[in-house]
Amino acid sequence: DSGVTQTPKHLITATGQRVTLRCSPRSGDLSVYWYQQSLDQGLQFLIQYYNGEERAKGNILERFSAQQFPDLHSELNLSSLELGDSALYFCASSVGHLTGELFFGEGSRLTVL
Amino acid sequence: EDKVVQSPLSLVVHEGDTVTLNCSYEVTNFRSLLWYKQEKKAPTFLFMLTSSGIEKKSGRLSSILDKKELSSILNITATQTGDSAIYLCAVLSSGNTPLVFGKGTRLSVIA
Repeated sequence: DSGVTQTPKHLITATGQRVTLRCSPRSGDLSVYWYQQSLDQGLQFLIQYYNGEERAKGNILERFSAQQFPDLHSELNLSSLELGDSALYFCASSVGHLTGELFFGEGSRLTVL
Repeated sequence: EDKVVQSPLSLVVHEGDTVTLNCSYEVTNFRSLLWYKQEKKAPTFLFMLTSSGIEKKSGRLSSILDKKELSSILNITATQTGDSAIYLCAVLSSGNTPLVFGKGTRLSVIA
């Protein structure tokens, strides 16, 4: 158990809908990262927050947004969902900013029908 | 753009075999290279290699960083079925970019 908690574990929804994925980092970790993992693309970095502020942005679609709250938990919002958004979404946390050793949650598997 | 390439993409071996997984990278301002193991869900950290620590070993697993060739290998000796997993290589640069991952090598160890 990494100490990172993600909910929900599974989610099935329809195209055009909006979902919110939630992540609680390890106790004491200030950084939260979101990654998307699909079969053909591997782990793709989406966005990172450090102590409530956005610090790095990857290939995150405009339909996706995220935030980190004062209690350090984070939410990833995915809207106007398309079939291609079906993937495993991972949250990871670390103590510092842009450190190598990340602790990953179990992931949220999103299926868009 | 930082890039990490792993090979092979998949590998099937028998218990007791020794395997070598490869990772090559192209990044600006390299800081470190990391190996993760992903069994069912969450990737878990194995090793971190830097300019000051180019070789790491833990039990049957070992890894070496070749900074000249911009590559790394992960060796697993006396493989067991519990080693079956996806092995991910990732690189950290000194820019404002978190870990960049390769697509992984799926290792299957059969009895």
